[in-house]
Amino acid sequence: AQSVAQPEDQVNVAEGNPLTVKCTYSVSGNPYLFWYVQYPNRGLQFLLKYITGDNLVKGSYGFEAEFNKSQTSFHLKKPSALVSDSALYFCAVRDYGSASKIIFGSGTRLSIRP
Amino acid sequence: GAVVSQHPSWVICKSGTSVKIECRSLDFQATTMFWYRQFPKQSLMLMATSNEGSKATYEQGVEKDKFLINHASLTLSTLTVTSAHPEDSSFYICSASPAGGAEQYFGPGTRLTVT
Repeated sequence: AQSVAQPEDQVNVAEGNPLTVKCTYSVSGNPYLFWYVQYPNRGLQFLLKYITGDNLVKGSYGFEAEFNKSQTSFHLKKPSALVSDSALYFCAVRDYGSASKIIFGSGTRLSIRP
Repeated sequence: GAVVSQHPSWVICKSGTSVKIECRSLDFQATTMFWYRQFPKQSLMLMATSNEGSKATYEQGVEKDKFLINHASLTLSTLTVTSAHPEDSSFYICSASPAGGAEQYFGPGTRLTVT
C-alpha cells in the first residue's frame, strides 16, 4: 500500500532564510510525487511534481523538490522564504502507471516570520 | 488551463436536509473525479472516486447511501449529502483528472455547515 509521511506538523523560518519541508513516501512501484499548497479556506494549488527524469524538480513560486530514491524522500525547498509562503503544504504520492488514487500526507504548516 | 470549479463555495443547511455540491472541469474532460473531505487542521481524506458513466468507488468507512456521487458527464460530478447532520460539517474538495493524466486538478472547496 502506498503512503506518505510528513514528519513535521509545523516549520518556522525567518523571511529570507532557506526553507525545507520534509516528505517521505512508500509505494510498491515507481512513484508519482506531488507537492500542493493550501491557503485558508481554499482548495489545493499544485506546486510541482516528479514522475521521471531529473531528481531536482522546479515548480511554482520559486519552490523546488529533490527526489531521493534511496531515502524515499521528496523534500520541498526554497532558497529564500517569503512571508507570503506561509500556508499549509501537502506532499502526495501515486503509484506510477496505475489509475490509483493520490494519497496525501498529513500536511505541514509553514510559518514565515518577517 | 485545467480549471476545476465547485458550487456552492459555502452552504449552511438544517439537520435532516440534503445538500448537493457540484464539481465541474471547465477546460478539460475529466474521466475521473475524486471527492475529499477535510476537517480543520487535518489532511484531505479521500471519500470516493468516480468515473464518468459508472458507479463511484467509495473508500472504506464512507457511507455510499449518505454521500451520493453522480458523474453523469465528462465535465460534471455531484456529491449529495443526504439527511445531513452536524457531524457532516466539513470542507469538501473535489478534484478531476483528464484521461491518462497523472495529475489531479483541485476545486476551491465547499464549506458545509449543518445546524
